[in-house]
Amino acid sequence: DTEVTQTPKHLVMGMTNKKSLKCEQHMGHRAMYWYKQKAKKPPELMFVYSYEKLSINESVPSRFSPECPNSSLLNLHLHALQPEDSALYLCASSQDPTGYTGELFFGEGSRLTVL
Amino acid sequence: DQQVKQNSPSLSVQEGRISILNCDYTNSMFDYFLWYKKYPAEGPTFLISISSIKDKNEDGRFTVFLNKSAKHLSLHIVPSQPGDSAVYFCAAREGFQKLVFGTGTRLLVSP
Repeated sequence: DTEVTQTPKHLVMGMTNKKSLKCEQHMGHRAMYWYKQKAKKPPELMFVYSYEKLSINESVPSRFSPECPNSSLLNLHLHALQPEDSALYLCASSQDPTGYTGELFFGEGSRLTVL
Repeated sequence: DQQVKQNSPSLSVQEGRISILNCDYTNSMFDYFLWYKKYPAEGPTFLISISSIKDKNEDGRFTVFLNKSAKHLSLHIVPSQPGDSAVYFCAAREGFQKLVFGTGTRLLVSP
């Protein structure tokens, strides 16, 4: 299994809603990532977990709350989002927990629309 | 400010010819570079990489060239095939675990 699975693929939410994005991998990778990609822009790093511990937070607003319950699962909890948070959210994992090789395995992404 | 730039949003090439995708960067601290390919409705997939201590890396039809003095890298695909049609992202490693991506170049290879 060489897949990173993200659910849901599409999500529409209001600014007062609470929702979560889920990411799962069964490749035994010990580093997992959240990236955000807006239209016609490059993916931008949000968070990195290594060995289930948060190792990088790219100054992301607290309305985004990551969680890594175990080595296979990564969640992104969303609360009180703004319309400008509408984007494609990409999850990735890497075999190398240091990320030294830069080789990431990406999921298809969750497309989020905030109304 | 974009530290990794792909100035050509799109490129069209005929099947069998060479595709050359370009990427420029501004941060001299970048020490490792990668290319990712992305098909519609799929996540990016790793294609090829190069360390800053090298100037060329080859993998089958794909070759990446790095010119450190010019802060420029390029991806050559020879021969190009219709299945290569995708968006190609250049990325640079900034410290451990962080990749900085370019905006991508859409390659269309026509039969």
